[in-house]
Amino acid sequence: GENVEQHPSTLSVQEGDSAVIKCTYSDSASNYFPWYKQELGKRPQLIIDIRSNVGEKKDQRIAVTLNKTAKHFSLHITETQPEDSAVYFCAARGRGGGADGLTFGKGTHLIIQP
Amino acid sequence: GAVVSQHPSWVICKSGTSVKIECRSLDFQATTMFWYRQFPKQSLMLMATSNEGSKATYEQGVEKDKFLINHASLTLSTLTVTSAHPEDSSFYICSAPTHPGRNTGELFFGEGSRLTVL
Repeated sequence: GENVEQHPSTLSVQEGDSAVIKCTYSDSASNYFPWYKQELGKRPQLIIDIRSNVGEKKDQRIAVTLNKTAKHFSLHITETQPEDSAVYFCAARGRGGGADGLTFGKGTHLIIQP
Repeated sequence: GAVVSQHPSWVICKSGTSVKIECRSLDFQATTMFWYRQFPKQSLMLMATSNEGSKATYEQGVEKDKFLINHASLTLSTLTVTSAHPEDSSFYICSAPTHPGRNTGELFFGEGSRLTVL
């Protein structure tokens, strides 16, 4: 099945700086790569996603890039704010996850230092 | 937009008892729902795919007799943790496709249910 690796596990940045989280996946047939933000004790919230036919997608301060050849994708957050502090999960939809089942990375705890 | 509601949000039970968690799609029909499990400070692990009108599909290593899934209608899937033990304590989250029938991959998650087994 699909295997998703995510780095770093913890990322601390100064408010206003940029944050980058990277993920790799194993299944070359994977075609959908979402990013979720999860605050403590709450449900994961989709913040941005990208499909295999696109190399980059941007939504205000958040962007995601995808390199299909290398099988890796990254989340970029610019001008970070305190409310960006949370755990971020990347995910990929591969053949082993059911009709729409996602395989998640282990998560990155993003800490925004004031 | 799509809304998935999960109940109860938290439950405490004694070891050996069974606990049922409900997952409902509120404004759309979901022929497929997914159940995830999340231990503290860890990732979401897919447990099983719930299919309306047929048996659930379990991921490798998940005991189907331990975690009973019933997709009784197009808006309701239930997960029953049978003979619960302390090691079953976890955060259980269900999800459903945001665009049923289009297979886009997008999922909407329920609020999650925190199970504590004493």
